[in-house]
Amino acid sequence: EAGVAQSPRYKIIEKRQSVAFWCNPISGHATLYWYQQILGQGPKLLIQFQNNGVVDDSQLPKDRFSAERLKGVDSTLKIQPAKLEDSAVYLCASSSDRGRTGELFFGEGSRLTVL
Amino acid sequence: TQLLEQSPQFLSIQEGENLTVYCNSSSVFSSLQWYRQEPGEGPVLLVTVVTGGEVKKLKRLTFQFGDARKDSSLHITAAQPGDTGLYLCAGVSGANSKLTFGKGITLSVRP
Repeated sequence: EAGVAQSPRYKIIEKRQSVAFWCNPISGHATLYWYQQILGQGPKLLIQFQNNGVVDDSQLPKDRFSAERLKGVDSTLKIQPAKLEDSAVYLCASSSDRGRTGELFFGEGSRLTVL
Repeated sequence: TQLLEQSPQFLSIQEGENLTVYCNSSSVFSSLQWYRQEPGEGPVLLVTVVTGGEVKKLKRLTFQFGDARKDSSLHITAAQPGDTGLYLCAGVSGANSKLTFGKGITLSVRP
């Protein structure tokens, strides 16, 4: 079974530029998550989708971050314009249920460096 | 905001030693998960505990959920270099089953 795929693995940009990350969850998983993990910290939820609807985006900085999940499968996370403090690993995860006691399957992450 | 405090933040031990690490909160969780993350990879689930007082064993790892479902511990017996990694606890709460992660415990096991 293929795991969660993310791209790109690494991205270096200058502040005020834009960047987009892509995620392909495990086939059949209805719930998709984007987490931000800053070095030395645990993952912080940015947005949670159930199929193509948003369940929780309370911690998404909506002035610069946006995410969509068209057709309830793939998802993209965009940052525009980027700030220095956005340097982090962006993790995508999926689960087959609503995460009540279910396992989240994570991708390898996309490491963003903002100069 | 529900916070999970993990301790100690860093731990470096010799192969063969035993260790216990902790995950504490003032909030009640419906369940709690432990993940291990290695450099350059995403977290991988080790265990989910659901019932207060529950103890689960995974080979040399023993996980316990507190009676009040606010805290958890992870005990590793005879640690091996392969146990090296970042150990994250995550609490599940709310109608949307939101998963909130702690900052993690960086474990280094020296051969």
